Amino acid sequence: EDQVTQSPEALRLQEGESSSLNCSYTVSGLRGLFWYRQDPGKGPEFLFTLYSAGEEKEKERLKATLTKKESFLHITAPKPEDSATYLCAVQPAGNYQLIWGAGTKLIIKP
Amino acid sequence: ETGVTQTPRHLVMGMTNKKSLKCEQHLGHNAMYWYKQSAKKPLELMFVYNFKEQTENNSVPSRFSPECPNSSHLFLHLHTLQPEDSALYLCASSQDHGGWRNSPLHFGNGTRLTVT
Repeated sequence: EDQVTQSPEALRLQEGESSSLNCSYTVSGLRGLFWYRQDPGKGPEFLFTLYSAGEEKEKERLKATLTKKESFLHITAPKPEDSATYLCAVQPAGNYQLIWGAGTKLIIKP
Repeated sequence: ETGVTQTPRHLVMGMTNKKSLKCEQHLGHNAMYWYKQSAKKPLELMFVYNFKEQTENNSVPSRFSPECPNSSHLFLHLHTLQPEDSALYLCASSQDHGGWRNSPLHFGNGTRLTVT
């Protein structure tokens, strides 16, 4: 069965303390992996799409990487405004529907 | 106005009421979606419309009825809901749906529904 698991469920960091969020997936072939950010009271906002193992994408303090089993969202020297829930979704081969993880809630304390 | 707009932002309804959620996108996209978001659970896809035609219906109870009059507007008609239907209902759009690789989704800010 296709599955996406995000860990940890919640992560509290001090401002400037770098860390990584994990998205592991079990699917029959990968068409694409998506990262979204969701602020309280708002809808998810698209961050990155990754298509193949070894691919990396960066945006400000965020860098997303992809292997054949998982993706990491690395956050470098985070600021309080990076606090949000980060969602991961996978498009399996042969299926148009995304499979979503439950998200990681990131809290950056000043 | 740009992006995806959902109204109302909050809705409280009794189990015997009938109400509708509205979504409008100004991005020129061809696909629109309804998702249900419950606390600490993955997003659940409810319906997909591609070029105004419904292409996905994920075994959603008939008390939820979608309508897509054109590629910019999407409605979700609600009737005789249950308390467990309380959730955040998100509308999204994308350039298209069903291609070899999905286009990124653009979400509205959702309608927070409470069924009493």
